[in-house]
Parts: sequence; structure tokens; C-alpha cells
Amino acid sequence: AQTVTQSQPEMSVQEAETVTLSCTYDTSESDYYLFWYKQPPSRQMILVIRQEAYKQQNATENRFSVNFQKAAKSFSLKISDSQLGDAAMYFCAYRSALRGNKLVFGAGTILRVKS
Amino acid sequence: DAGVTQSPTHLIKTRGQQVTLRCSPKSGHDTVSWYQQALGQGPQFIFQYYEEEERQRGNFPDRFSGHQFPNYSSELNVNALLLGDSALYLCASSLWRSSYEQYFGPGTRLTVT
Repeated sequence: AQTVTQSQPEMSVQEAETVTLSCTYDTSESDYYLFWYKQPPSRQMILVIRQEAYKQQNATENRFSVNFQKAAKSFSLKISDSQLGDAAMYFCAYRSALRGNKLVFGAGTILRVKS
Repeated sequence: DAGVTQSPTHLIKTRGQQVTLRCSPKSGHDTVSWYQQALGQGPQFIFQYYEEEERQRGNFPDRFSGHQFPNYSSELNVNALLLGDSALYLCASSLWRSSYEQYFGPGTRLTVT
């Protein structure tokens, strides 16, 4: 079974600075997708960024980028120029490319942004 | 274009009772997944419906059951409620044969007393 581990229960960052959230996963599959979701206090889970395992190039979405290390099974999220609105719970998630749409989530990292 | 909607927003039930939660997927989506999110934890996959059939199931007891209707909307039923069933229940919709992300609803907060 696949597992996702987020080892940082909580992180803090100063507004306008950069922060990196860590995620590791365990799988025997070679074809899969990885996601970072943001869940603000409103509870709505919002997709931040997605990475296909077959792509070597790291995904980027504006201020958000990932460092995908397939051999190390590591998938970290970098947030640049942090904003107050980035404060939320962030979840790393795994999805097999072959076994349906089930998402396996990590335990989450609370990100606090200081002004 | 309406996104994923869920009802009710929150509800309170007593141990032993039964509850039904509802979800309407994003327009154009045909697959609905349900997740349970306990306080301070990541969501756990309950099951997934496509073409009105349960396609995948997580490690949840038979007390958790579901249904998908011809219009793709879905229900989650939980029987014989336990205190441990208190959680946020998230519905997510997607396309069955697509690598694109799942779109989540705002969730239903269930409290069992």
C-alpha cells in the first residue's frame, strides 16, 4: 500500500519570504501522480500544484513550485514571496496512474505566515 | 459553472443513529469519491462511485455505504454511528478516465454525541 509522510506538523514563514514544505512517499509503482492541496480554515480543499511521475521537469504554478526527486521518493513544495493568504493546512497526496482515482494523503503541515 | 456541492453543511447525531450525506459533482464529472477527515488529520479515502457502482473502497467497515444516481450525484450513508465517526466528510468529483485533479466540495461536519 502507498503511504505519504509529511514530517513537519507546522511551519512558519515571514511575509514575502520563501518556505519549503516536505513530503515523502512510498510506492512500488512507477507511474503515478503527486499533488499538493491547500485547505484554509474554510475547509475547502484547493489544488495547488500537480506533478506527473513520468515528467522529469518540476512543476511550477506562479509562486508555487515543487522539487520532485523520484528516486528518493521526495516531493517538496516551495512557496516564494509568501502572502498572508497562503496561511493554511497543506496536504501532499499520491494517486496511482493505474488503480483508479483514489488519493492517499499525508497528515498535513500547518503553514503560518507572519506579517 | 457550479462546483462540487455538499449538504448539509453540518449536523449532530447521537450514537447508534444513521446519517445520510449528499454530494453533487462538478458539472461534466462522472466520478464521485468520499473521504473522511478527522480533526487535525489528512483525509482518508472511503469509496468511489462511477456508473452507479462502487469501484474502489478504502479500509472502512460495512456501516459505511453509498450510492450514485443517474445524474452522477451521490450519497454517503453511515449506520450505527460511533463517536469515532465524528469528522469532516469530503466529497470529490472527477472524470473517470482522466489524470486531472479531483475537485473537492466544502465538506459536511458530522458530530456524533
